[in-house]
Amino acid sequence: GAVVSQHPSWVICKSGTSVKIECRSLDFQATTMFWYRQFPKQSLMLMATSNEGSKATYEQGVEKDKFLINHASLTLSTLTVTSAHPEDSSFYICSAAGTSGRAGNEQFFGPGTRLTVL
Amino acid sequence: GNSVTQMEGPVTLSEEAFLTINCTYTATGYPSLFWYVQYPGEGLQLLLKATKADDKGSNKGFEATYRKETTSFHLEKGSVQVSDSAVYFCALSGRNAGNMLTFGGGTRLMVKP
Repeated sequence: GAVVSQHPSWVICKSGTSVKIECRSLDFQATTMFWYRQFPKQSLMLMATSNEGSKATYEQGVEKDKFLINHASLTLSTLTVTSAHPEDSSFYICSAAGTSGRAGNEQFFGPGTRLTVL
Repeated sequence: GNSVTQMEGPVTLSEEAFLTINCTYTATGYPSLFWYVQYPGEGLQLLLKATKADDKGSNKGFEATYRKETTSFHLEKGSVQVSDSAVYFCALSGRNAGNMLTFGGGTRLMVKP
């Protein structure tokens, strides 16, 4: 299958700082990328959907000014957690989907980024 | 709207036992169905999928059959191993959902030697 990477795999930061998480599709063009949040022992919660070159569509209850998403190219999307607080600590997972070819219309998931805010 | 319901865990089995994790869904039209596996501290990996009724997805000894009449996609494995211990997520993608996935709550499987 297609490969999606995330960086960093884990990050610890102080409260009030901003953290950027990168999601890259390594061998296909991702027209759509998804960002999920997962709390311990729970399912994935979709935060937002982003299409290359467009503004992200946020799910209800997700603060767009808090979680900034940029999808500037067909292989890269970034999630920036602004002014992070301990309640933002979570496992963040991205996925990417193409429209044809190797990726088809299936979502491929990154390995996740564990964020801990002190 | 679309929804996925899967059995709550944890499911605890001895090695070589038979595994069934139930999954049922509600969706309009004919969705694609997926099982994903998440090992501790990692992201999701696609385990298997089925895109139309009566299709059987299979991988690594796991199987699931798309049953439209019962709106189910139960995951089975004849003989589990300790290395199968993980969380399993059932999911669906609607035909016109723009690749969007709807996930079940996840089922934790623990296999004891």
